[in-house]
Amino acid sequence: QSALTQPPSASGSPGQSVTISCTGTSSDVGGYNYVSWYQQHPGKAPKLMIYEVTKRPSGVPDRFSGSKSGNTASLTVSGLQAEDEADYYCSSYAGSNMGVFGTGTKVTVL
Amino acid sequence: QVTLRESGPALVKPTQTLTLTCTFSGFSLTTSGLSVSWIRQPPGKALEWLARIDWDDDKYYNTSLKTRLTISKDTSKNQVVLTMTNMDPVDTATYYCVRLVVEDYYFDYWGQGSLVTVSS
Repeated sequence: QSALTQPPSASGSPGQSVTISCTGTSSDVGGYNYVSWYQQHPGKAPKLMIYEVTKRPSGVPDRFSGSKSGNTASLTVSGLQAEDEADYYCSSYAGSNMGVFGTGTKVTVL
Repeated sequence: QVTLRESGPALVKPTQTLTLTCTFSGFSLTTSGLSVSWIRQPPGKALEWLARIDWDDDKYYNTSLKTRLTISKDTSKNQVVLTMTNMDPVDTATYYCVRLVVEDYYFDYWGQGSLVTVSS
């Protein structure tokens, strides 16, 4: 299973918005509404931010939102804050009881 | 609350077998719809899913690593064990134990991770 494609980096100034893409195929992202997003600060374990494309777990700020169109899912962080600077990974179910992660995107708050 | 903790050797030699144990609390792996996965991350690189074991004892493996991996569980001890044979320096990574919600396929609780270095 090939990794989902994410841009290596993205950036924005405090208060701005940044959108990260996650491109797969019709066998994963495009075929299921089971895309999730994870935030990882340096030296820490990943944290679930979005699941089922658009849903936010309890405690995740509503500044984080997810969407999907065709084979590409997106994570948008609105009103960027310093603590949003981290690596972000997407994940998708890919059939046959297996999933796949994205290549990761480093978000920098300028 | 839900917690997971990985334990195992920090250093293994090439060709050796790695055994990692995940001890969890706050949920039971007999609960329908739950699963425990192992995910690894080489230094500076992306996440890679390795294996999972479900509440009904079904097991699934990364296709590329399937011949080297074995996953098992002891529900009485709330533990999941992963073994990986024939370790190589490219297997150097932080190994995470993670709870998976199977129906909607997302990883909601992560262990802190266990760094395993493969070196002679």
